[in-house]
Formats: sequence, C-alpha cells, structure tokens
Amino acid sequence: NAGVTQTPKFQVLKTGQSMTLQCAQDMNHEYMSWYRQDPGMGLRLIHYSVGAGITDQGEVPNGYNVSRSTTEDFPLRLLSAAPSQTSVYFCASKKPLGSNYEQYFGPGTRLTVT
Amino acid sequence: QKEVEQDPGPLSVPEGAIVSLNCTYSNSAFQYFMWYRQYSRKGPELLMYTYSSGNKEDGRFTAQVDKSSKYISLFIRDSQPSDSATYLCAMSGQGGGSYIPTFGRGTSLIVHP
Repeated sequence: NAGVTQTPKFQVLKTGQSMTLQCAQDMNHEYMSWYRQDPGMGLRLIHYSVGAGITDQGEVPNGYNVSRSTTEDFPLRLLSAAPSQTSVYFCASKKPLGSNYEQYFGPGTRLTVT
Repeated sequence: QKEVEQDPGPLSVPEGAIVSLNCTYSNSAFQYFMWYRQYSRKGPELLMYTYSSGNKEDGRFTAQVDKSSKYISLFIRDSQPSDSATYLCAMSGQGGGSYIPTFGRGTSLIVHP
C-alpha cells in the first residue's frame, strides 16, 4: 500500500492564482481530512469528508474548496491564493467511522504564496 | 482558551534522560487520547493510543491519562537523539462529529548526545 499520497511536494503561487492540491489514499478509508500547519499554531482542520459525496467545513475553511467524488481522492482547491495561505498542508485518512483509530497522514505540501 | 493546551517548548535534554511531555484539555467528552510524532519536514505518525483513563506502555514510551485532572502525559525513557521531533497530542470523543480529533500545538523535543 502507498498509504496517503500528496502532490505536489512544493508549490509557489502568486497572489490571486488558483491551484489544486491532490490527495489520494489506497486504504479504503471513509474519513479524509485536510489540515494546515503553521509555526506555533499546530494542525488546524480545513475541511473533512466522511465518504464519497459528503464534505464539511473544519476550523479554517475560508478560501478553500473540497470535493469527494471517489473514496480514494480528496483534492483541496485554493480559489484565489493569498499570502496568508502560505503554509504546510497535510491530508489525512482514517479507518471506518466510529472506530477512532489512528489517522494516517500524507507527507505534506509546502505552499508559498508571494 | 483552546480545548487542548500543549507547551510548544522547545524541550532540550541530554541523551539518556527521561522525558515528560504533557497536555491539558477542557472537554470532558474526550475518550480517545493519542500521541503523534512528527519529524522535521514529515507528516505526523501515530506513536501511542489510549482509550479512557490509565497507562499504556510500548517499549521506551509510556502514555498516561488522568481524566479527573484532564491531563495526559507521554514519558520517554532512555531518550535518544533519534527521538528528536515534535510530539503532538490529540483527543476525540465518541459518536456524532466528536470522532474528529482535536490536536495540541505540539512540543518540540531535542535530545542532544
């Protein structure tokens, strides 16, 4: 199993540009989520999904969109990049709901917005 | 006040020391308590997992939960330079949307030879 994969690893955007961060998992996990990690702020939840076709907002959803058309994929879209979105982004997936088992994290995408 | 409080450190200790990492929380509904380890420029990975109160031991690592005090700890015995990382605590409840974990800010640990 590849686990949770994320692409790209690094990205530099100009203010106002849009892009999609890709996330895929091959563990048939129902629950997937996106976090951003900033120095001193820990992991903050952006959006999450409990299954294909179902998404919901986390703690810091503004400026980001998600969709979940398949169990495997959970892309994160930045609509109009802003310098405040400079961060490291992690995708995570989790075993079936209600089990509270561990989340598996991807390697992260380092995004810089100039 | 955040639901989960964790001192960011850094915590610097000599090799072989016993390390104590701690988190406090305010939500009495939390039932699952986790410790993640994150090496520099990597994603977090689960280190220890405890349900409700009590202790759990895995090699050099011991996780403790005191629900009456809303306080959890991770102890590392005979610390090694390879233990240098950021340690994040995480907690979640049961049922509804409470399975979504709440993370602490992480404590940076440096073990020097």
